Amino acid sequence: GQQLNQSPQSMFIQEGEDVSMNCTSSSIFNTWLWYKQDPGEGPVLLIALYKAGELTSNGRLTAQFGITRKDSFLNISASIPSDVGIYFCAGSVNSGGYQKVTFGTGTKLQVIP
Amino acid sequence: EPEVTQTPSHQVTQMGQEVILRCVPISNHLYFYWYRQILGQKVEFLVSFYNNEISEKSEIFDDQFSVERPDGSNFTLKIRSTKLEDSAMYFCASSGSPGGATDTQYFGPGTRLTVL
Repeated sequence: GQQLNQSPQSMFIQEGEDVSMNCTSSSIFNTWLWYKQDPGEGPVLLIALYKAGELTSNGRLTAQFGITRKDSFLNISASIPSDVGIYFCAGSVNSGGYQKVTFGTGTKLQVIP
Repeated sequence: EPEVTQTPSHQVTQMGQEVILRCVPISNHLYFYWYRQILGQKVEFLVSFYNNEISEKSEIFDDQFSVERPDGSNFTLKIRSTKLEDSAMYFCASSGSPGGATDTQYFGPGTRLTVL
């Protein structure tokens, strides 16, 4: 099956610093999604990207859909303590009329106040 | 804002027992999913459901698993005879409002299943 490699696996940063994480795949996806998961809760959608090359922002978050359609990155600017959590990328392809989503391995973010 | 809800939040069961996990997807969504997340690991796809039938299932979704949409609002996951390795968080998701992007899946808060 399709696999998404996400890096880094974890990171510790100081409050106020910018953060960057990325996701790569050997397969092409037609949509990239970024989710955040807080402990004990379900993934919450942050950003959805639908077109190769697309750059989309949501507040302090910016994500891009790679030109090759095999990668995506997420940047968080000026991190704050509530940014702590696990960030998952996800790619989807059309599978018989619906979109099949594959999740990345996650990046665990810790923010030091 | 509409959201996916799941019950119970935590289910403890004995090995070999049957469990039913319940989900209420977002009301005008057409596609429904179950995912599993073993503690500390990534979210894994189990099954997708559309038009009252399974669209796709993963290799994890064996004969012990079944899904049902018993009425217009609920979507359930049944595990017939639980095993220790079924212990995980189970997330329901839904997508596909009419005219919307079918691939933006919205997740519920999850049910933590503990098999003893």
